[in-house]
Amino acid sequence: DIQMTQSPSSLSASVRDRVTITCRASQSIRSFLNWYQQKPGKAPNLLIFSASTLQTGVPSRFSGSGSGTDFTLTISSLQPEDFATYFCQQSYSPPFTFGPGTRVDIK
Amino acid sequence: QVQLVESGGGLVKPGGSLRLSCAASGFPFSDYYMSWLRQAPGKGLEWVSYINSGGSTIYYADSVKGRFTISRDAAKNSLFLQMNSLKAGDTAVYYCARSIGISAATLDYWGLGTLVTVSS
Repeated sequence: DIQMTQSPSSLSASVRDRVTITCRASQSIRSFLNWYQQKPGKAPNLLIFSASTLQTGVPSRFSGSGSGTDFTLTISSLQPEDFATYFCQQSYSPPFTFGPGTRVDIK
Repeated sequence: QVQLVESGGGLVKPGGSLRLSCAASGFPFSDYYMSWLRQAPGKGLEWVSYINSGGSTIYYADSVKGRFTISRDAAKNSLFLQMNSLKAGDTAVYYCARSIGISAATLDYWGLGTLVTVSS
């Protein structure tokens, strides 16, 4: 199975901060990487697929980059509604494993 | 709009069974891969099972293989998960989700989940 790791596991940030979350795969997954946002008590929400393609309706302050084993999710200017947990997920081969998540809290 | 509504969760004793259902609406159900995922309390996400549009391609996580069975009913626009020989480690919120594209691998709509608790 492909193992996914994320860093940091949590971070504290302020509104309008630039936030970067990294995700690493245990082997190359080319660009088969998705990012999801999950708020407490809610289902995950797809933000980005294929490493850098923004899902319809997702604000442009979210962006993704990377290929191979190293990927990044960036929020250019953190908004109050962005405080949540973010998961990466490889879509390269089953089982389609998730990272452990990065929790973004208010500083 | 797309809606996925899970039901059937609850408290069950170890070794027991449950059948989860997911009612889909707002899209052509028969055209899409569908999946079940779970999230144990305070933990990350695990893909449990998926099924393709026609039901001919099915995947199970090793942790549930031989105990869980996924199925779908096009006439009822519904997805099911039969869970047998349940263990404490199966305790989780179970989500039904729809895949985009031609594979199961990317999930664009999720239900709100149904809680399964396995405890004596």
